[in-house]
Amino acid sequence: ETGVTQTPRHLVMGMTNKKSLKCEQHLGHNAMYWYKQSAKKPLELMFVYNFKEQTENNSVPSRFSPECPNSSHLFLHLHTLQPEDSALYLCASSQGQGETGGYTFGSGTRLTVV
Amino acid sequence: DAKTTQPPSMDCAEGRAANLPCNHSTISGNEYVYWYRQIHSQGPQYIIHGLKNNETNEMASLIITEDRKSSTLILPHATLRDTAVYYCIVRATNAGKSTFGDGTTLTVKP
Repeated sequence: ETGVTQTPRHLVMGMTNKKSLKCEQHLGHNAMYWYKQSAKKPLELMFVYNFKEQTENNSVPSRFSPECPNSSHLFLHLHTLQPEDSALYLCASSQGQGETGGYTFGSGTRLTVV
Repeated sequence: DAKTTQPPSMDCAEGRAANLPCNHSTISGNEYVYWYRQIHSQGPQYIIHGLKNNETNEMASLIITEDRKSSTLILPHATLRDTAVYYCIVRATNAGKSTFGDGTTLTVKP
């Protein structure tokens, strides 16, 4: 375990379903991130939260809705997804603005949209 | 964030040093160099980072050229478990976004 826990590890959902991905960290970090990794593609940054405030939305479609209730938890709410949204979704955390330590990533949620 | 360029793949014999290069010719003065690696289907793992001085930790060494336009990650005694995709990125601070490129696929062979 890295200190960043993602659940579920695997998720299969239909295009009309609504589901949520959860990320939790107890490292005392203040910044949290969602990344998407499609097959044979680089990691794509989706959202950045710093002290619970969203500071980056990398032109992500509205069918992905992030939520950050506190610095330890991050959610990604999913609805009416498309098959091309199937990917590995990775959560990461870091110390926060002004700090220069590395990211700590979770193990990811493998999402399949059918 | 500055863009980085890495070779797509490298091989290394087990027990030998693996030297992974990265070019970041447009790096800004306040940007750090970070290295991560990703073993198949797992989340990336932080390895090391530095600003301008060489750095060493229990996992690896980072050599940054004096002009800071390139760096090399050194795994001193590569093992089969070091087979992974290695990413070099540059970023000013933690809350800034990090752009991951394609990385270098390192294959350690027996």
